[in-house]
Amino acid sequence: QLQLQESGPGLVKPSETLSLTCTVSGGSISDTYYWGWIRQPPGKGLEWIGTIYYSGSTYYNPSLKSRVTISIDTSKKHFSLKVSSVTAADTAVYYCARRRIVGRTPVAFDIWGQGTMVTVSS
Amino acid sequence: DIAMTQSPDSVVVSLGERATINCKSSQSILYRSNNKNYLAWYQQKPGQPPKLLIYWASARESGVPDRFSGSGSGTDFTLTISSLQAEDVALYSCQQYYTTPLTFGGGTKVEIK
Repeated sequence: QLQLQESGPGLVKPSETLSLTCTVSGGSISDTYYWGWIRQPPGKGLEWIGTIYYSGSTYYNPSLKSRVTISIDTSKKHFSLKVSSVTAADTAVYYCARRRIVGRTPVAFDIWGQGTMVTVSS
Repeated sequence: DIAMTQSPDSVVVSLGERATINCKSSQSILYRSNNKNYLAWYQQKPGQPPKLLIYWASARESGVPDRFSGSGSGTDFTLTISSLQAEDVALYSCQQYYTTPLTFGGGTKVEIK
């Protein structure tokens, strides 16, 4: 069955760029799904960062849009997240997830990676 | 943005008893053209990612026990665990997918009395 796995540095210095990759295994990344990033600061709720369609169309949370880039490489079966100019407020567990499409409607996130903790600190 | 507000923050229930979690959206998430509510519920156990339980407000995800049920429409929604089991101890979150930015509720912790 399809699985997602996040990878990337667990520690990033303030003002630098956070870079994470989500590798898709056990299924196709080119199927008609959306692929997303969600984060969860310690002890807090979930925050949607953004989503990318397999064709490359992107959708970002306006609260982060100026600092976020999501890209996809279907040949390598992965999609990536970059968050620039990070501060301590970006410290969180970062999840990648698949957003299901029902009919032609994108719905909920049905498959999640295990998550990776990223700490912003000097 | 559509704000999602959950209540209570935590609920303590005896094994076998009913647990009820509420979720309120700041505007209607009922799409009139298909009469569907764009709401999902997730379960998150400590150290694990969220797991999808319910979508379209009341459609149970495959493999989810039928003691979990979702109800509500418009702006007010409820997740009910009809007979709480030990393995149901978790954080439960609602999420609207009516429009971007996608937004989540703050979560409700379910514990055993």
